[in-house]
Amino acid sequence: EDQVTQSPEALRLQEGESSSLNCSYTVSGLRGLFWYRQDPGKGPEFLFTLYSAGEEKEKERLKATLTKKESFLHITAPKPEDSATYLCAVQAGTNAGKSTFGDGTTLTVKP
Amino acid sequence: SQTIHQWPATLVQPVGSPLSLECTVEGTSNPNLYWYRQAAGRGLQLLFYSVGIGQISSEVPQNLSASRPQDRQFILSSKKLLLSDSGFYLCACKLPPGQGNEKLFFGSGTQLSVL
Repeated sequence: EDQVTQSPEALRLQEGESSSLNCSYTVSGLRGLFWYRQDPGKGPEFLFTLYSAGEEKEKERLKATLTKKESFLHITAPKPEDSATYLCAVQAGTNAGKSTFGDGTTLTVKP
Repeated sequence: SQTIHQWPATLVQPVGSPLSLECTVEGTSNPNLYWYRQAAGRGLQLLFYSVGIGQISSEVPQNLSASRPQDRQFILSSKKLLLSDSGFYLCACKLPPGQGNEKLFFGSGTQLSVL
């Protein structure tokens, strides 16, 4: 059974204070690892897809990395508008595109 | 890009009443469609998925059912709601296999409260 564990559950940062979110996973044949951002009361929005160990993706202040067992979402010099819940999900190779999600990390950035 | 229309945004229903949530998709034909439920402070739990018209797979035993009467229409239903059916319901879609990124596109969600 595919499993995704995210840590920490909640993270409070001061504006400009860089940090990382962790996503540990077990999956039979990784097809892709995904990061989504979710604002309160809204549906998740896609951020990144990572396919193989060593891969990195960047977007503005966010950078996602992938190893064989975990992924990190690095946030550099965050701003208050980066406050949201960040969800990690994995897709296995033969499962009709079903994604297994972690419980998320809720990030709060104080000005 | 896919656009998902999901309504209503908020719904309050008494225990034992029926439910019908509808989701429609704009964009590519023959998308994979999904219904997820999210409990407060938790991740997304997959309830149903569909790879084509009339094709529904259930992931967890439950009081709910799903149907796909048209290519871009996905409906979540219940004959009699339970208190445990409360939650945030999300419709999602993915491009058909071989058409690119495997990412999910989500609707705006329905917050269901069963009282």
